[in-house]
Amino acid sequence: EPEVTQTPSHQVTQMGQEVILRCVPISNHLYFYWYRQILGQKVEFLVSFYNNEISEKSEIFDDQFSVERPDGSNFTLKIRSTKLEDSAMYFCASTPTGLLVYGYTFGSGTRLTVV
Amino acid sequence: GENVEQHPSTLSVQEGDSAVIKCTYSDSASNYFPWYKQELGKGPQLIIDIRSNVGEKKDQRIAVTLNKTAKHFSLHITETQPEDSAVYFCAAPNPSNFGNEKLTFGTGTRLTIIP
Repeated sequence: EPEVTQTPSHQVTQMGQEVILRCVPISNHLYFYWYRQILGQKVEFLVSFYNNEISEKSEIFDDQFSVERPDGSNFTLKIRSTKLEDSAMYFCASTPTGLLVYGYTFGSGTRLTVV
Repeated sequence: GENVEQHPSTLSVQEGDSAVIKCTYSDSASNYFPWYKQELGKGPQLIIDIRSNVGEKKDQRIAVTLNKTAKHFSLHITETQPEDSAVYFCAAPNPSNFGNEKLTFGTGTRLTIIP
């Protein structure tokens, strides 16, 4: 079964440093998402991406965050200057269409720890 | 936007018994209701979903029921097994003007199956 692949699985970074989280969505999917989950809390929407541009973003997704599809396979989330409160699990997801006909496929996540 | 509430937050059942998790949603226009299972250290995995044109859907030991009038939907797991132990999330789509629906998740239910 096709998978969404995320790397690294765990990243520890110092406060103020930049981090890049990487995702390889399923190859024939066109819509991409980042969600995050603070420990013990629910999964929260960050951003959606289609046709090489952001479709929608939440209030969490401020100027410190950016996303990019640098080539035909990768989808990245960059946090420019990390804060302690950015510590969370970050999940990438993809779908074939924008409407939730097929549901999301999530990756296994990157655990980001900011110290 | 959509608001999703989920109960209970924790649930313990004897192996072989049934488990029921309930969710309510706020937006009467929502038309797609997935359930995700999250095992420790992994991303959410879609286990079943239902669309608003049906009241119930079943897949082996898992079923989901939907009451659109009352705006609630439930996950039913019968003949529970130890491998059913996980955190379960319900979700509902947020309407989007961008043709790219995002999900609002419930707060999760930690299900423990007691051998």
